[in-house]
Amino acid sequence: GQQVMQIPQYQHVQEGEDFTTYCNSSTTLSNIQWYKQRPGGHPVFLIQLVKSGEVKKQKRLTFQFGEAKKNSSLHITATQTTDVGTYFCAGPNSGYSTLTFGKGTMLLVSP
Amino acid sequence: DGGITQSPKYLFRKEGQNVTLSCEQNLNHDAMYWYRQDPGQGLRLIYYSQIVNDFQKGDIAEGYSVSREKKESFPLTVTSAQKNPTAFYLCASSPRDRGRGETQYFGPGTRLLVL
Repeated sequence: GQQVMQIPQYQHVQEGEDFTTYCNSSTTLSNIQWYKQRPGGHPVFLIQLVKSGEVKKQKRLTFQFGEAKKNSSLHITATQTTDVGTYFCAGPNSGYSTLTFGKGTMLLVSP
Repeated sequence: DGGITQSPKYLFRKEGQNVTLSCEQNLNHDAMYWYRQDPGQGLRLIYYSQIVNDFQKGDIAEGYSVSREKKESFPLTVTSAQKNPTAFYLCASSPRDRGRGETQYFGPGTRLLVL
């Protein structure tokens, strides 16, 4: 079945450093979504990318969708302690009308 | 105030007892989902429902049951057949997903501890 993989599983950075998480799908995706889960909280939708090669920015966060629509990345510039949490990517599982989530990248930011 | 509510936030049960987790949404979404989250395991789909009176098994349905009698409600029962029920359970909803991958909106979750 469809698989969505994320790397790294975990990253610890100093405040002000940059951070990137990568997402790779075993199949071509019609779109990819990113969610953030704060410690003790629930996943919250961040953004959806639809077009091949699409780049979207939200303040210090930059999201990219690969040309082949099988991979994506989330880059955070100059991390802050408020960025702490787990970032998940998710793609449509078209055969089952659901989303397939990656296992997430846990980001820890030290002040 | 639209959203998804799950209750209770924490739930303790003795081993061998069935327990039902509540999930209610007022977003007028057709689809609802139940996920289980364990440390390092990401989100694993238990059951989902795209429309009232219909639901499908997800990846880890064994030991769980659901019902979808109303659009707003999708309760999950963790039965005694579930070998490791202690986990964080998340409910989500979305517009009906016809394979395009609709954005999902999550409730605050219920932490179940079985002693």
